[in-house]
Amino acid sequence: AQSVTQLGSHVSVSEGALVLLRCNYSSSVPPYLFWYVQYPNQGLQLLLKYTSAATLVKGINGFEAEFKKSETSFHLTKPSAHMSDAAEYFCAVSVASGGSNYKLTFGKGTLLTVNP
Amino acid sequence: GAVVSQHPSRVICKSGTSVKIECRSLDFQATTMFWYRQFPKKSLMLMATSNEGSKATYEQGVEKDKFLINHASLTLSTLTVTSAHPEDSSFYICSVKSHTGELFFGEGSRLTVL
Repeated sequence: AQSVTQLGSHVSVSEGALVLLRCNYSSSVPPYLFWYVQYPNQGLQLLLKYTSAATLVKGINGFEAEFKKSETSFHLTKPSAHMSDAAEYFCAVSVASGGSNYKLTFGKGTLLTVNP
Repeated sequence: GAVVSQHPSRVICKSGTSVKIECRSLDFQATTMFWYRQFPKKSLMLMATSNEGSKATYEQGVEKDKFLINHASLTLSTLTVTSAHPEDSSFYICSVKSHTGELFFGEGSRLTVL
């Protein structure tokens, strides 16, 4: 079975500073990895995903993540935080099941706050 | 625009009553939809996989008779919380699988049982 660990339930940065949200995964087979963002009382929006192509994945809103197999990590970064980035971020992993990589296992989430 | 619509976004009910939450796929037909439950400051937990025209597949530990799922058409799945109790209060989120395998999430439904 696969699992995801997000290090740090709360990360606080200043506006303009680097954002780094950590995610480590466990999977017995090559995983698919995702980062989602959730704004208060809303559903999830896909930021980016890794599906065994390029290890450095670029997503929306200036976010990117790098898949490092040796470290079993998929950390999310953004060079310069914006106030609008304040939200809950979830890392998720899935493995191909019946030909479809849809059954997601989510981490517990990291709340990002951005200080002016 | 939204790909997935959930209704209602918020619902308050009395203990012992049943509540139905709808999940609609607006942009494409979906044979597979998913229902998640999110506890405060916790992650999303997959409850069940909703399959159009057949029975839902429930995750281990999820009560089938408590959380009734119906996927009667290719654009609509419903989750009914039967005989709701305060411990059922939660944020319920559905997602829809497109033909490319990508998941699109609804905006969630917050259930409060008094």
